[in-house]
Amino acid sequence: QQQVKQSPQSLIVQKGGISIINCAYENTAFDYFPWYQQFPGKGPALLIAIRPDVSEKKEGRFTISFNKSAKQFSLHIMDSQPGDSATYFCAASKESGYSTLTFGKGTMLLVSP
Amino acid sequence: DTAVSQTPKYLVTQMGNDKSIKCEQNLGHDTMYWYKQDSKKFLKIMFSYNNKELIINETVPNRFSPKSPDKAHLNLHINSLELGDSAVYFCASSQGARVVETQYFGPGTRLLVL
Repeated sequence: QQQVKQSPQSLIVQKGGISIINCAYENTAFDYFPWYQQFPGKGPALLIAIRPDVSEKKEGRFTISFNKSAKQFSLHIMDSQPGDSATYFCAASKESGYSTLTFGKGTMLLVSP
Repeated sequence: DTAVSQTPKYLVTQMGNDKSIKCEQNLGHDTMYWYKQDSKKFLKIMFSYNNKELIINETVPNRFSPKSPDKAHLNLHINSLELGDSAVYFCASSQGARVVETQYFGPGTRLLVL
């Protein structure tokens, strides 16, 4: 049972455009939502994370929007650059105890020059 | 300085063999993890150790046995390798065991079972 659904599977955006990746979760106990960025041949790296007490979190060109009632959250990459081309994973977890991250299936982003 | 390192980077072996993957972190972290990323890039936790103690053991076949000789090392031994074990295995570490602690991933070990 996949508890975090991520879309789209792949995305092509022109340089300077906005990249948007969406995730939906099922478990209402989840209260921690990170995004990871993975370049080819490398391990994932934490990009940005949000908790449900806020509806939006911004770090530079990266913004997470969170909709608790819809159980959805999304990553927006403003002014997308070719260097942003990577696979992006959303994840979700319960913050308490020895919880584990449940990952979405990833979105392969290509930013064309 | 490499924060989380894994050896080997590539591993090609025959079905039925036993192999080990080593992981070391120089971040001074207390918690280490093993993840499996399949051919479709789906990433799933396998094990987690905190201060050398196993704290998370997902439903992984008992052919997989992690070992943590000290806080800086977490090795993964796989017995009787099967075709379905082909994947990229990532080691990661974090300061503490709470999920909100940033996890730092190694570069991965690409295992191909023939």
